[in-house]
Amino acid sequence: GAGVSQSPRYKVAKRGQDVALRCDPISGHVSLFWYQQALGQGPEFLTYFQNEAQLDKSGLPSDRFFAERPEGSVSTLKIQRTQQEDSAVYLCASSFTFTGGNSPLHFGNGTRLTVT
Amino acid sequence: AQSVTQLDSHVSVSEGTPVLLRCNYSSSYSPSLFWYVQHPNKGLQLLLKYTSAATLVKGINGFEAEFKKSETSFHLTKPSAHMSDAAEYFCVVSDRSGGGADGLTFGKGTHLIIQP
Repeated sequence: GAGVSQSPRYKVAKRGQDVALRCDPISGHVSLFWYQQALGQGPEFLTYFQNEAQLDKSGLPSDRFFAERPEGSVSTLKIQRTQQEDSAVYLCASSFTFTGGNSPLHFGNGTRLTVT
Repeated sequence: AQSVTQLDSHVSVSEGTPVLLRCNYSSSYSPSLFWYVQHPNKGLQLLLKYTSAATLVKGINGFEAEFKKSETSFHLTKPSAHMSDAAEYFCVVSDRSGGGADGLTFGKGTHLIIQP
C-alpha cells in the first residue's frame, strides 16, 4: 500500500510493561511526526524527525517515552513502564518535504494502546 | 504560541442541509490553517488548507472554508450534508512557532452527526 502503516493496530499492556509501536511512513517522505490522541481529544504533538534526526521531542510527556528513526524511514515509539494515563491512540504522520506545516501530512490509522 | 478553538464539540444536521463547523485560532505569525477529518478507526485525512493565498479555500467532498483575519476564524462549511460526512473534524493551525518544529496544533474536534 502507499499509505502510512502503523502496527500493531491495538495493544493491551499491563501497567509497568514496556511497549514498542511501529510506523512505516510513505516511501521517500522526509518528515515524520508522532502524535498522542487521548479519548475525545485532538491529537497532541509528541516528536518530529527529519530523516534520521530527531529535531524536536518537546512533546514527549516523560522520560519513559523514547522515539527513534535510525535509518530515516521506519520509526519506533517506545514507552517504558507504561502507566494508565498512557492509554491513547498513537498516530504517526509523514510528509514529503521538510516543512510539515506547508506540506500535507499523511496519517496512519494509529495504534490504540490500552494500559490495564 | 499558537492555539485553536473549535466552538462546538458536537454538531447535528439533517441530510441535505448546510453544515457549519466553527473554528477560531490564535497565532503570533501568519498561520497556515487546515481542516482534517477522522472517520471511526481511520487515519486523519486532509480536507483543505489555507496558506496565505486565496481566503476562500475549496477542499474535497464539497467542503470549503474562509479565512477571516479580522475575526481570527476559519469556519468549515458545506452546502448540503451527506450521510458519509458523519465523522470527527479537526481545525489545525501551524505558524512554525509552536506545535513542535513545523508541527501542527489541533483543536479538540467537532463531532458531526447527520440525521437521515
